[in-house]
Amino acid sequence: DAGVTQSPTHLIKTRGQQVTLRCSPKSGHDTVSWYQQALGQGPQFIFQYYEEEERQRGNFPDRFSGHQFPNYSSELNVNALLLGDSALYLCASSIWTITSTDTQYFGPGTRLTVL
Amino acid sequence: QQQVKQSPQSLIVQKGGISIINCAYENTAFDYFPWYQQFPGKGPALLIAIRPDVSEKKEGRFTISFNKSAKQFSLHIMDSQPGDSATYFCAAGEDAGKSTFGDGTTLTVKP
Repeated sequence: DAGVTQSPTHLIKTRGQQVTLRCSPKSGHDTVSWYQQALGQGPQFIFQYYEEEERQRGNFPDRFSGHQFPNYSSELNVNALLLGDSALYLCASSIWTITSTDTQYFGPGTRLTVL
Repeated sequence: QQQVKQSPQSLIVQKGGISIINCAYENTAFDYFPWYQQFPGKGPALLIAIRPDVSEKKEGRFTISFNKSAKQFSLHIMDSQPGDSATYFCAAGEDAGKSTFGDGTTLTVKP
């Protein structure tokens, strides 16, 4: 049973560029959440996708956008990259439950470096 | 405003000892409290989790203690081993999946 997979593993971009990160959820999971983890800090919630719609969003600017596909995989797009966007980007998958929070399983992350 | 406060920032324990990490939260809407273990270059891995209707949960050497009235919860690692050396994060979940993380505790277990 494959867990959460993310690609690419590492990415180097320059300021002002755009980047797309990809995530495939754990088998049987239908919900994908994205987190940003700066060095030495805990992950911070960016947004969550279920049924191809953004369901919740954290305190991140509109430069951060996403998409979920019919097979539940997801993309995170970041436009107009800033130096401060350098971080480990984590994808977490879970099973949607409207009434409570369910267990999230994290992928290995994509390390983004903005020069 | 930090909603989940974790302490200590770092912890050194001798092999065989007990490691204790504490977290406090403010938002009473949180309904799920997981602990994650993260090794350098890897994503967080779920260790153990608890819901607010239970005061304690034990899985192997890992125990969560939960105090709803004080809005605090803690992770106890019994018989700590050098392989437990990692960064540990507490988190609090709400609204069907959105999790707020603490800032992490770097645990070093000395042989």
